[in-house]
Amino acid sequence: AQSVTQPDIHITVSEGASLELRCNYSYGATPYLFWYVQSPGQGLQLLLKYFSGDTLVQGIKGFEAEFKRSQSSFNLRKPSVHWSDAAEYFCAVGSLGTSYGKLTFGQGTILTVHP
Amino acid sequence: DGGITQSPKYLFRKEGQNVTLSCEQNLNHDAMYWYRQDPGQGLRLIYYSQIVNDFQKGDIAEGYSVSREKKESFPLTVTSAQKNPTAFYLCASTPPGGDTEAFFGQGTRLTVV
Repeated sequence: AQSVTQPDIHITVSEGASLELRCNYSYGATPYLFWYVQSPGQGLQLLLKYFSGDTLVQGIKGFEAEFKRSQSSFNLRKPSVHWSDAAEYFCAVGSLGTSYGKLTFGQGTILTVHP
Repeated sequence: DGGITQSPKYLFRKEGQNVTLSCEQNLNHDAMYWYRQDPGQGLRLIYYSQIVNDFQKGDIAEGYSVSREKKESFPLTVTSAQKNPTAFYLCASTPPGGDTEAFFGQGTRLTVV
């Protein structure tokens, strides 16, 4: 069975600092990988996705993620965090050949941004 | 504007009562999904439907039921058999074709007292 681990439950950074959120997955075949962001009491917004091709993926709001098959990782990065980035971030994995919304999510990482 | 509408945003029910959460989409998406979110547990799949009049159980279907009579609608009923129904429920949909992502509604917070 596939699984996703986000090792950091809560991360605090200062505004303007760089950010890396970790995501490790377990899946036997080529995964589809996603990062979503959620503001309190809201739905999920897609930041970026990886299906194939270039392993460095650019997303919205200045985020990027790198797929590393050898490490089973898909870490999310941003060079300079803004106060508006404070939210909860979810990594998710889907599988080829199944319904694209049938996802396994990590536990989420809450990001706090200090001014 | 196209999107996914979940209603109501907040729902309170007494223990032992069934309750139905609404999910409507005007995106012309074929597939729809229901997820449950609990703090510290991420999202878990309850049910999904890839076409009208057909649906499959997800990872935590016990105590829930769904129907898919129309392409636009995928209501979720939380039955009295669900032992811990208080949670945040999210509906999602995906368009046909490949290499795409799920689009999510704004969620319904259900509190059972």
